[in-house]
Amino acid sequence: KQEVTQIPAALSVPEGENLVLNCSFTDSAIYNLQWFRQDPGKGLTSLLLIQSSQREQTSGRLNASLDKSSGRSTLYIAASQPGDSATYLCASESNRDDKIIFGKGTRLHILP
Amino acid sequence: DTEVTQTPKHLVMGMTNKKSLKCEQHMGHRAMYWYKQKAKKPPELMFVYSYEKLSINESVPSRFSPECPNSSLLNLHLHALQPEDSALYLCASSHDNNYGYTFGSGTRLTVV
Repeated sequence: KQEVTQIPAALSVPEGENLVLNCSFTDSAIYNLQWFRQDPGKGLTSLLLIQSSQREQTSGRLNASLDKSSGRSTLYIAASQPGDSATYLCASESNRDDKIIFGKGTRLHILP
Repeated sequence: DTEVTQTPKHLVMGMTNKKSLKCEQHMGHRAMYWYKQKAKKPPELMFVYSYEKLSINESVPSRFSPECPNSSLLNLHLHALQPEDSALYLCASSHDNNYGYTFGSGTRLTVV
């Protein structure tokens, strides 16, 4: 059974710093890995989708990498801003049962 | 249109009430999903519809009844809920296995 783990559970950094959020998964039989952002009480906003054949995806200040062999993905945020404060969730979509499994998320707080 | 629209945004209902949550997408996605999310937890899968047919029911109590009237609409009918059913209910859709998921902004449900 797929398990997705996100470390750290919470992170506070000063504005302007670059940071890395980590996601690990136990089963490499995945279609893709997707990073989401969630603001308190709101829905999930898709940030980046990395298909299993890809190594990384970039969007603006965000860069996500995928290493299937080691079961790891990272989300790199450059030049962090207070508006980046949110919970970040990673989710892997299994090619065994077409389900996505979420990590528990990293609560990010950018200090002004 | 690249959105999943959920209505209502907020709902308060008594334990004897019957209500429905609605979800709509016009992206031509073939699969639609209902998730339940409690505070500070990741979303939990409830139901999956694929090509308008129920393909996954994650052992959800019968007081939750999903319906997919057509390829663009997904409903969740609620009856005789319990206070512990209070949560954020998220709808999502996907085109295919390698295209990731698009989530709605959710319905915040409170059962009193």
